Amino acid sequence: SQTIHQWPATLVQPVGSPLSLECTVEGTSNPNLYWYRQAAGRGLQLLFYSVGIGQISSEVPQNLSASRPQDRQFILSSKKLLLSDSGFYLCACKTPDRNLNYGYTFGSGTRLTVV
Amino acid sequence: AQKITQTQPGMFVQEKEAVTLDCTYDTSDQSYGLFWYKQPSSGEMIFLIYQGSYDEQNATEGRYSLNFQKARKSANLVISASQLGDSAMYFCAMREGHSTGFQKLVFGTGTRLLVSP
Repeated sequence: SQTIHQWPATLVQPVGSPLSLECTVEGTSNPNLYWYRQAAGRGLQLLFYSVGIGQISSEVPQNLSASRPQDRQFILSSKKLLLSDSGFYLCACKTPDRNLNYGYTFGSGTRLTVV
Repeated sequence: AQKITQTQPGMFVQEKEAVTLDCTYDTSDQSYGLFWYKQPSSGEMIFLIYQGSYDEQNATEGRYSLNFQKARKSANLVISASQLGDSAMYFCAMREGHSTGFQKLVFGTGTRLLVSP
């Protein structure tokens, strides 16, 4: 089964500082990977997704970027954080196999507070 | 336009009673999937139940059942015999995308359920 490791669990960063959140996947290969953000008390918004190494698609314009340097590694970055970047960030993966019923796994999330 | 709508920001239920969390969706696809997730205060997303658009029977998983009404585009979650540990945020989500191509999950805004003793 798939396992997602996400770190750090909690992060407090000053405005204008850089950001790097890492997500690694175990137990599968060639997964689709996703970064979601959840603002306080709200639903999950898809930020980025990737179907393969070096392939990144952005869902919404923002201050963040994503990279996929290896098959099972997905990184969320920012050069200069804004207050509005605060939120709960979740990494998720989907194995592109024929089992369409389930297949989605989520990481434990990173709670980012920009001060 | 909102693709997944959860109209109940918060719900209260007494322990051991049943509760229904509403979810309506909007899609023109014939093939799609509907998910419910539970998010406790720790933030993890716990998969509860899945309903495929072609499934003729409503999905059930233990105390969870999904009341799927395709013509009305609704996929309500029913939790029977509520427990204190059921207090959490609940998200309805829809899988978008072609079955042989890229797919993604689109989420509603969630419903916060509070179970009282």
